[in-house]
Amino acid sequence: QQPVQSPQAVILREGEDAVINCSSSKALYSVHWYRQKHGEAPVFLMILLKGGEQKGHEKISASFNEKKQQSSLYLTASQLSYSGTYFCGTGGPYGGSQGNLIFGKGTKLSVKP
Amino acid sequence: DGGITQSPKYLFRKEGQNVTLSCEQNLNHDAMYWYRQDPGQGLRLIYYSQIVNDFQKGDIAEGYSVSREKKESFPLTVTSAQKNPTAFYLCASSIDPRTVSGNTIYFGEGSWLTVV
Repeated sequence: QQPVQSPQAVILREGEDAVINCSSSKALYSVHWYRQKHGEAPVFLMILLKGGEQKGHEKISASFNEKKQQSSLYLTASQLSYSGTYFCGTGGPYGGSQGNLIFGKGTKLSVKP
Repeated sequence: DGGITQSPKYLFRKEGQNVTLSCEQNLNHDAMYWYRQDPGQGLRLIYYSQIVNDFQKGDIAEGYSVSREKKESFPLTVTSAQKNPTAFYLCASSIDPRTVSGNTIYFGEGSWLTVV
């Protein structure tokens, strides 16, 4: 099942904060976050493997709640360079096709000056 | 530099033609993937391969074919049976999707295919 991302789109002013959510109806073993600029390849941001784990990348951090089967991406003090579409990719049990990531539809983030 | 190389970047196809998109990686990754991206649809898996000479259909394999004769190469052919092939195609690879952290996917730069 494809994970559900929310919101679908968000517009920020520079310096504002945003939260992007990713939830799944199936048990999650890992959550991967990517950012894609228009016409370019998605770029890997971070992976979360454990329940309750938090990670950071610049001013972007994420949490993973295994029990709730969801992850959230936090963007603080947003910069113009943060604009793009953010995807979460969720991983199931390892081995076979279930190890492959399933991607959400993406959240389009626009940061304005 | 290690990475994933896709070619061509832009490709135009006439109705009824087959076209092949090239994908080469020098990361020594076991698994390779092809995704299709349409506006608002996210990333949809076409085919994937976890080892040489083996590949599996993804969610939207109809009208596409692949081969994996070498670890480094995973070309995608868009056949005339694919009725709406205009899209952005992304090749990707991962170290080993059977391991805990090995399923992180790394993408190539993408290929734009347009039917004319």
